[in-house]
Amino acid sequence: GAGVSQTPSNKVTEKGKYVELRCDPISGHTALYWYRQSLGQGPEFLIYFQGTGAADDSGLPNDRFFAVRPEGSVSTLKIQRTERGDSAVYLCASSPIRGGTQYFGPGTRLLVL
Amino acid sequence: ELKVEQNPLFLSMQEGKNYTIYCNYSTTSDRLYWYRQDPGKSLESLFVLLSNGAVKQEGRLMASLDTKARLSTLHITAAVHDLSATYFCAVDSGGGADGLTFGKGTHLIIQP
Repeated sequence: GAGVSQTPSNKVTEKGKYVELRCDPISGHTALYWYRQSLGQGPEFLIYFQGTGAADDSGLPNDRFFAVRPEGSVSTLKIQRTERGDSAVYLCASSPIRGGTQYFGPGTRLLVL
Repeated sequence: ELKVEQNPLFLSMQEGKNYTIYCNYSTTSDRLYWYRQDPGKSLESLFVLLSNGAVKQEGRLMASLDTKARLSTLHITAAVHDLSATYFCAVDSGGGADGLTFGKGTHLIIQP
C-alpha cells in the first residue's frame, strides 16, 4: 500500500516568510509524528498527534512553529517568520497505534535564504 | 532528559568483515528501534526490540538489547557493499506518547 507522503519535497523561502509543510500518513494510522533532521544529525522530535489532538508538542522549538491535524489524517506543519536556522529536512512519520513502529515519509527539505 | 549515544559515528570497513555498532541510552525505555537511512532518503525501519535479551536478525544484520546495561548492538556479519548507509538507533522514552529520541547515527561505508 501507499506509504507516508509529504509535500512539497523541496521548499526554498526567504527569511521572514511563512511556510506550510504537508504530511499524508498511511491510511488508518492514528498516530502521527513530526521530526526535524539537520545535516549529519539524527531526527529530532517536534510534535505527536493521536487522532486530531496534539498529545505532545514538547519538541516544538518556539511559538513560530505550529501543527494541525483537523480530521485525524493529513497534518500540516506551519512555520511563521522563518529563520535561516529553520533550514532542515522535516520528516513526518505515522504509526497504526500509539507506541507502534513509526513509518517515515520522504521528508520536505526546507531552505531559508 | 533521555540521551542516546551511538558509536562509532563513522565506520569504514571492507566487504566480508564483521563489525558491531553500539547504542547506549540514559534512562529506562520501553522500546528500542534501529533504522537505516540512505543518502537523500528517508528512514527505513529495521528492527524493534521490546524486552531485555531480545535478539532479532534479518540477513546479515542482527540486533540485540540489554535493558539492564541500557545498551543495544547492531552486528554486521560478512558485510557487503549494499549495507553502506547511515544507521540510527532510537529510543521510546516511555508510555508510547512521546516521539523517539535518536542517536546521531553511524555512517557506514563498506568498501569492496
